[in-house]
Amino acid sequence: DTGVSQDPRHKITKRGQNVTFRCDPISEHNRLYWYRQTLGQGPEFLTYFQNEAQLEKSRLLSDRFSAERPKGSFSTLEIQRTEQGDSAMYLCASSSRPGGNTGELFFGEGSRLTVL
Amino acid sequence: TQLLEQSPQFLSIQEGENLTVYCNSSSVFSSLQWYRQEPGEGPVLLVTVVTGGEVKKLKRLTFQFGDARKDSSLHITAAQPGDTGLYLCAGATTGNQFYFGTGTSLTVIP
Repeated sequence: DTGVSQDPRHKITKRGQNVTFRCDPISEHNRLYWYRQTLGQGPEFLTYFQNEAQLEKSRLLSDRFSAERPKGSFSTLEIQRTEQGDSAMYLCASSSRPGGNTGELFFGEGSRLTVL
Repeated sequence: TQLLEQSPQFLSIQEGENLTVYCNSSSVFSSLQWYRQEPGEGPVLLVTVVTGGEVKKLKRLTFQFGDARKDSSLHITAAQPGDTGLYLCAGATTGNQFYFGTGTSLTVIP
């Protein structure tokens, strides 16, 4: 199975520490999305890549958040100086639709962050 | 900020009952998708609707896209315990962004 994989699945950290999450999309997918989700709520859009280019970044993404997709394959999401409000599930999704906007998003299982 | 509001937020029903979930927005979307998410997993696509007024059926699930492409509904007939989960609508923009709704948590009691 070559679905979307995320690592780590769980991360517990102390406030003020930096954390990094990795997402490996489905290999032929050129679009990659990061979302943040709290319990029982819908995912909130954070950022979106097409190949290696970061095309959109939500206003939710403060200066402490940065995402990269250096070779258009895997992506990393780093949170610096974590705060308790950053505790959430961070979801990665990929899509391959070459044009238009009806492509299916394939999600990983998420990386759950707990900031103490 | 969620661009799409879903109602109800929580729904608990008996097996065999019917239900409808609504997804509303003031924004126009190029297409709208419905996903279902189970605990500990990522959302999984159920359907995509593209044309205003479009109706799609998937077994006991009926999806409708509003004429103005701002809202959608999901109707489940004769709900089963296996339908339990978090139902999410997602609106797609021309810029290939997908904005998710606030979610509806459905519990079907045997």
